[in-house]
Amino acid sequence: AQKITQTQPGMFVQEKEAVTLDCTYDTSDPSYGLFWYKQPSSGEMIFLIYQGSYDQQNATEGRYSLNFQKARKSANLVISASQLGDSAMYFCAMREGLSGYNKLIFGAGTRLAVHP
Amino acid sequence: GAVVSQHPSRVICKSGTSVKIECRSLDFQATTMFWYRQFPKQSLMLMATSNEGSKATYEQGVEKDKFLINHASLTLSTLTVTSAHPEDSSFYICSAREGRGNEKLFFGSGTQLSVL
Repeated sequence: AQKITQTQPGMFVQEKEAVTLDCTYDTSDPSYGLFWYKQPSSGEMIFLIYQGSYDQQNATEGRYSLNFQKARKSANLVISASQLGDSAMYFCAMREGLSGYNKLIFGAGTRLAVHP
Repeated sequence: GAVVSQHPSRVICKSGTSVKIECRSLDFQATTMFWYRQFPKQSLMLMATSNEGSKATYEQGVEKDKFLINHASLTLSTLTVTSAHPEDSSFYICSAREGRGNEKLFFGSGTQLSVL
């Protein structure tokens, strides 16, 4: 069964608009961490935001915020005020257990295109 | 922030040769590093977990004799693709944990391997 599901292969957004990238996850472990990474065409993986399963508030990092709905097992990424440089692949990932020694499982990714 | 250096960024080799990829944590000690493989337009698939001073843990379906992993120090892990074949052509990317509360992973810039 898929642990991390990203149902949007591609998304388009107008510059300066907000966009939401969907991510749902599946785990029976009460302790887990959720991550979003950005991968531009150069290939590097850029960490964007992290949400722990016990975190009471939604994580925010600048223009990025994570809409964490635990009961629905969703962890959508919201990018506000999109910029042309936001065009890239975006991956949602989960680590079961809170130890950094546990592996990260990635979703299939969503390609975001920001139009001027 | 933490920096993970991966070298080389691109390598082209003949079929049957071996290729070594290095992953270094530049400003922190990484007891655990992870090796991922990414085919074009696909997600990252975990190959193995590299543990300093012990044998790597390989994911199901990954040939440990083909993909040799050595984690000899707290700052260096290497992946050697032995007797490479064209089907081994892929983007290989390493990551390391920098434990500062949220346990996020930092990634190297990746290695594009092309086997002729």
